[in-house]
Amino acid sequence: SQTIHQWPATLVQPVGSPLSLECTVEGTSNPNLYWYRQAAGRGLQLLFYSVGIGQISSEVPQNLSASRPQDRQFILSSKKLLLSDSGFYLCAWSVRYGYTFGSGTRLTVV
Amino acid sequence: AQSVTQPDIHITVSEGASLELRCNYSYGATPYLFWYVQSPGQGLQLLLKYFSGDTLVQGIKGFEAEFKRSQSSFNLRKPSVHWSDAAEYFCAVGDKRGADGLTFGKGTHLIIQP
Repeated sequence: SQTIHQWPATLVQPVGSPLSLECTVEGTSNPNLYWYRQAAGRGLQLLFYSVGIGQISSEVPQNLSASRPQDRQFILSSKKLLLSDSGFYLCAWSVRYGYTFGSGTRLTVV
Repeated sequence: AQSVTQPDIHITVSEGASLELRCNYSYGATPYLFWYVQSPGQGLQLLLKYFSGDTLVQGIKGFEAEFKRSQSSFNLRKPSVHWSDAAEYFCAVGDKRGADGLTFGKGTHLIIQP
């Protein structure tokens, strides 16, 4: 079966520290992969998507970057976190017409 | 640019009563429409989706949604809500290929009164 793993579930990081969130998918090949952020009261915002290894499209200019080193691995990074980076980060994958979301990472920047 | 509007930020419904959550979209091509539910601190679970065909779509947990092209709407309904339906509900629109991701509304917070 197809599953998506996202970790960690929660993270508290100081301002200026680096960030690495990882997402892996099992049971599918060549999925489209996505990173969304959910800020309080603002719904979900698409940050990055990838249609293949090394192919990253950014939707919103920001303090974050994404990488796809393997077909089923998607990483969200930052060199120096800002307070405004706090939020709930969701990874998702799609193959053709279906989207499946991970369980999310709650990031609090202090 | 595509957009999704969920005009109701909060809705309160009594347990056992009917429910309708509104969703309006703006999309240049044929829309692919989705409803997701999110429990507190959790990821998103797909309730139902519309791609083509019958405009009344059945989903999980007794939910259904109706696509009305003339009104650019995709409202979610349930004839009788249960306390476990209390959650955040998101409407989303995407394209056929699914490559560019989904555009979400800001969500509707559903509160169930006993």
